[in-house]
Order: sequence, then structure tokens, then C-alpha cells
Amino acid sequence: AQTVTQSQPEMSVQEAETVTLSCTYDTSENNYYLFWYKQPPSRQMILVIRQEAYKQQNATENRFSVNFQKAAKSFSLKISDSQLGDTAMYFCAFMSNYPGSRLTFGEGTQLTVNP
Amino acid sequence: ETGVTQSPTHLIKTRGQQVTLRCSSQSGHNTVSWYQQALGQGPQFIFQYYREEENGRGNFPPRFSGLQFPNYSSELNVNALELDDSALYLCASSYRTENEQFFGPGTRLTVL
Repeated sequence: AQTVTQSQPEMSVQEAETVTLSCTYDTSENNYYLFWYKQPPSRQMILVIRQEAYKQQNATENRFSVNFQKAAKSFSLKISDSQLGDTAMYFCAFMSNYPGSRLTFGEGTQLTVNP
Repeated sequence: ETGVTQSPTHLIKTRGQQVTLRCSSQSGHNTVSWYQQALGQGPQFIFQYYREEENGRGNFPPRFSGLQFPNYSSELNVNALELDDSALYLCASSYRTENEQFFGPGTRLTVL
């Protein structure tokens, strides 16, 4: 079974600064997907960024980028130029690469962006 | 394109009762997954439905059951409610062959 660990229950950052959220996972599979989801107080789970394990290049989506270290089973999220709207719970998640796979989530990191 | 919707938004039940939660998948999506998110924790996979059949189940007892209808909408039923069933229940729809799941806003269930 896969496990996902987020060791930072809470983090804070000043507006316009950069913050990095950590995630480690454990799996015996070689091909899989990793995700970062954002859950604001509205509760809607929103996909932030996705990484395919067979791709060496780190994924980037505007101000969001990841540092994917497959050998170390590490998948961190960097948020640049933090905005007040980035305040939310962030979840790291794992999915196997076969049809109908489930998401396995970490415990989450509460990020607060301060003005 | 209509997103994933869930009803009701909030629900209060008492221990021992039964509850049905509903989910309408995003247009065209043929797979629905259900997750339970206890307060302060990450979502936990309950089960998944594809072509109206259960297609994978997490570590949840049989009193958690579901249905999927021909239009791909889905229901989650929980019998003999326990206090620990209090949680946010999230529904996610997807194409079976693709990895991205689209989440609904959730149903907040409180068991007293």
C-alpha cells in the first residue's frame, strides 16, 4: 500500500514571498502520478499541479512548481509570489498508473499568507 | 460544462440512523469515487463506481454502500450511523482512463 506524508501541519508566509511545502511518499511502483490539491475554506478540492513519475522534468503551473525527486520519493511544492488567495489547506496525493486508481492523500499543510 | 455537484450541503443525523448522499458527475465522466474527510485530516478513499458496479473499496465496513446510475450519478449510503461517521464526504468524477479527478463541494455530515 502507498503512503503519503506531509510533515508540516502549518506554515505561514508573507505576501509576495516564496514558500515550499514538503511531501514524501512510499511506493513499490515505478510508474504513478503525484498531485498537489488546494482546499480553501469553501471545502472545494482544487487541483494545483500534477507530476507524472516517468517524466524527469518538474511540472510548473504559473506561480506553482514542484521539485520531484523520484529516488528520494520526495515531492515538494513551491509557491512563488504568494497571494492572499493562496491561503488554504494543501494536500499531496498519490495515484497509481492504471485505470480506475484511487487517490491516497497526505494529512495536509495549512498555509496562511499574511499581508 | 457542468461541474460535480453534491447534495445536500449539510446534514445532521443521530446515531443509528441511515443517510443517503448524492453526487452528480461532471458531464461525460463515467467514474465516481467517494472519499471521507474527517476534521483536520486528509480524505480517505471509500469506494469507486464504474459502469454501475463497485470498482475498488477502501478500508470501510459494509454499512457503507453505494450505487451508480446509468447517467453516471451516484449515491453513498451509510447505515447504522456512528459518531465517528461525522465528516466531510467528497465525491469526485473522472474518465476511467484518465488520472485527474474533479471534486464536488462535499456534504458535511454531523452525527449526534
